[in-house]
Amino acid sequence: AQSVSQHNHHVILSEAASLELGCNYSYGGTVNLFWYVQYPGQHLQLLLKYFSGDPLVKGIKGFEAEFIKSKFSFNLRKPSVQWSDTAEYFCAVNEGRDDKIIFGKGTRLHILP
Amino acid sequence: SQTIHQWPATLVQPVGSPLSLECTVEGTSNPNLYWYRQAAGRGLQLLFYSVGIGQISSEVPQNLSASRPQDRQFILSSKKLLLSDSGFYLCAWSILTGDGNTIYFGEGSWLTVV
Repeated sequence: AQSVSQHNHHVILSEAASLELGCNYSYGGTVNLFWYVQYPGQHLQLLLKYFSGDPLVKGIKGFEAEFIKSKFSFNLRKPSVQWSDTAEYFCAVNEGRDDKIIFGKGTRLHILP
Repeated sequence: SQTIHQWPATLVQPVGSPLSLECTVEGTSNPNLYWYRQAAGRGLQLLFYSVGIGQISSEVPQNLSASRPQDRQFILSSKKLLLSDSGFYLCAWSILTGDGNTIYFGEGSWLTVV
């Protein structure tokens, strides 16, 4: 069965610091990968997604993620964070063209002004 | 464009009472529909998903059930609520396209069982 592991449950950074949030999944076949973000008081929004092609995916607000198949990883990165990036971030995986989408436990990111 | 509506937004129910959370999607046909529960430190737990009318897959055996009486309507129910059913429930939809299966969420419903 699919599973998603997010290594960091709570991350605190200062503004302008670089960010990397880890995500690993368990399925060995074709996968679709996602990062979602939930800002305080708002609903979940899609940040970026990988289906095929270039393993380096660029999303909204300067975020990017790299799919490394050999490591079963899809880490989220941003070179310089802003206070407005304070939110909870969720990694998710969809197995091939399956209908289920499984989420990780989330990482709370707190940016200090 | 597609929209998803979920209600009620907040609900306080006594233990042992029934539950009905409703979700509808507009602007698309034959979507996949999902119910998730979000709990602090536990992420989003997939409860049920549906690929068509009357087709329900249950991921976690518990005190809840789901139904899909119409193409774009998804209902989460319970006959008798438990304290442990308290939480934040999210309805979501997706369409399987050539790009895969991207999921979009509603605004959620806070359920407090007292």
